[in-house]
Amino acid sequence: DSGVTQTPKHLITATGQRVTLRCSPRSGDLSVYWYQQSLDQGLQFLIQYYNGEERAKGNILERFSAQQFPDLHSELNLSSLELGDSALYFCASSVELAGTDTQYFGPGTRLTVL
Amino acid sequence: GQNIDQPTEMTATEGAIVQINCTYQTSGFNGLFWYQQHAGEAPTFLSYNVLDGLEEKGRFSSFLSRSKGYSYLLLKELQMKDSASYLCAVIHHAGNNRKLIWGLGTSLAVNP
Repeated sequence: DSGVTQTPKHLITATGQRVTLRCSPRSGDLSVYWYQQSLDQGLQFLIQYYNGEERAKGNILERFSAQQFPDLHSELNLSSLELGDSALYFCASSVELAGTDTQYFGPGTRLTVL
Repeated sequence: GQNIDQPTEMTATEGAIVQINCTYQTSGFNGLFWYQQHAGEAPTFLSYNVLDGLEEKGRFSSFLSRSKGYSYLLLKELQMKDSASYLCAVIHHAGNNRKLIWGLGTSLAVNP
């Protein structure tokens, strides 16, 4: 158990819908990262937050957005869902912004868009 | 640009030793991670190297050569539970920007 929690574990929805994925980082971690992993694909970095502020952006679509709240939990919002958005979405957290911090991953949310 | 290469698949036998290679190209190298990921599960941290040489942790060891842009993960006394994907990730640092670049992973199958 990494200490990172994600809810829900599974999500099934229809095209065009909007969903929110939630992540609580490990106690003491200030950085939160979101990743997408499609079937047989590598980890695609989406976005990073540090202490409530957006820090880095990866391959995140405009239909997707995220935020980190004062209690450091984070939410990833996915809207106008398409079939191709079906994937595992991982959240990871780490202690520091810079340096050699290790990312610890949550169990993931499996999103299925029908 | 930044690029990471690792073999797509490898097969080994229970009890044997396997070496998974990773080569990278990045102008702002600042460390390399190895993660293990079982199918459908989260990646879990295995090792971190920033200096040249070998880091040993039980059955797993990781090696880094910065001048060659090369790392390997060595798994000894293979067990069936070691069947998983092994991800190499490199820290790329440029100015105030720091990001982790992930390889596509090497899928290891351990056979009895």
